[in-house]
This record gives sequence, C-alpha cells and structure tokens, in this order.
Amino acid sequence: AQTVTQSQPEMSVQEAETVTLSCTYDTSESNYYLFWYKQPPSRQMILVIRQEAYKQQNATENRFSVNFQKAAKSFSLKISDSQLGDTAMYFCAFMKHSNGFGNQFYFGTGTSLTVIP
Amino acid sequence: GAGVSQSPSNKVTEKGKDVELRCDPISGHTALYWYRQSLGQGLEFLIYFQGNSAPDKSGLPSDRFSAERTGGSVSTLTIQRTQQEDSAVYLCASSLARDRYSNQPQHFGDGTRLSIL
Repeated sequence: AQTVTQSQPEMSVQEAETVTLSCTYDTSESNYYLFWYKQPPSRQMILVIRQEAYKQQNATENRFSVNFQKAAKSFSLKISDSQLGDTAMYFCAFMKHSNGFGNQFYFGTGTSLTVIP
Repeated sequence: GAGVSQSPSNKVTEKGKDVELRCDPISGHTALYWYRQSLGQGLEFLIYFQGNSAPDKSGLPSDRFSAERTGGSVSTLTIQRTQQEDSAVYLCASSLARDRYSNQPQHFGDGTRLSIL
C-alpha cells in the first residue's frame, strides 16, 4: 500500500520569507507522479505543482519549487517570497497507475500554512 | 471552460435521513473520485470510477454509502440513514487519466458541506 506522510500539521512564515513543507511517501512502484495541492479557506483544491518520478530535475512553478529525492522518497515544497494569499492547507499527493484501476491517488493529511503580515 | 461542479454546496439534514450529493465532472474526463474531508483533516478516499470499469469501492466506510456514475459522466453519492459522524465536506474530483503515462492531475469541485443534526 502507498502512504503519504506530512509531518508538519501547522506552519507559519513571515510575508516575503521562504518556507519549506515536507512530504515523504512509501511505495514499491518505480514510476509514479507527485503533486502538491493547495486548499485555501474557500475550500477549492488547486494544483500547485507536479513532478514525474522518472525526471531528476526538480519542478518549479514561479515561486513554488520542489526538492524531489527519489531514493529518500521525499518530496518537499518550497515557497519563496511568501504572500498572504499563500495561506492555505497544503496537501501532498502520490499517484500511480494500476492495470484495471487506472490512476490512483493517495493524499497526505495536510499542512496548514499561515503567512504572517 | 467549466470545472468540476458539485451540488448542493451545503446540506443540512436530520440524523436518519438519506442524502444525495451530485458531481458533474469536467467534460471528457474518464476518471471520477469521491473523497471525504472531516474538519481539519486530510482527504479520505471513498470511491473511484474509471471509464466503464467496475468502480473501486474500497474506501466506502459502510454499506450506508453508495455511488453511481451514469453514462460515464454525472455521479451521485448517496448516504442512507445518515449519522452525525457523516458530517464532513464531500469532495469530487475528475481526471483525464488516459493511460499510465498520463500525469494528469485531479481537478476538484468546491465540495458539499454536509451537516447532520
């Protein structure tokens, strides 16, 4: 079974500073995908960034970047120049493909990030 | 284009009543997922539909929960004889999920907040 662990239930960061959210996962799969989703108080889940396991290069999306360590099964999210709008719950997700079941997703329990003005 | 649409956005009902929650996925998305999110918690997988395949019902918490997907599009999640512990936000997501090489993420609806009195 796949598990996704986010060990930081809550975090805070000063506006304009940098923060890193951790995520580890456990799998025997060799090919899979990893995602970070953001859920602001409005409740809408929004995709922040994605990473293919076969790619060594870390994904980046503007102020968001990941540190993907495949051997360590670690997938942390770095938010640079934090903004008030970054305040949200952040979920790490693992996706694998299973014959007959298609793409299956597994989510961590989330990290609540507060950006302090 | 239109995203994933869920209705109702809020539902309050008395313990013991049946409820139906609706999800309209993004047009063309073959995969559809239902999750439950209790207050301050992560996403709990409930059920997954992929094309015409038999659904993965492994996450349904009890036989009071069931879901259908008609015509490969709209899905309804039914909870019979509701209990107070069923109170949560129910999220629906859809994905293209063409094949194992597809890194298509999930697109989420805004969820239905269900409150059982």
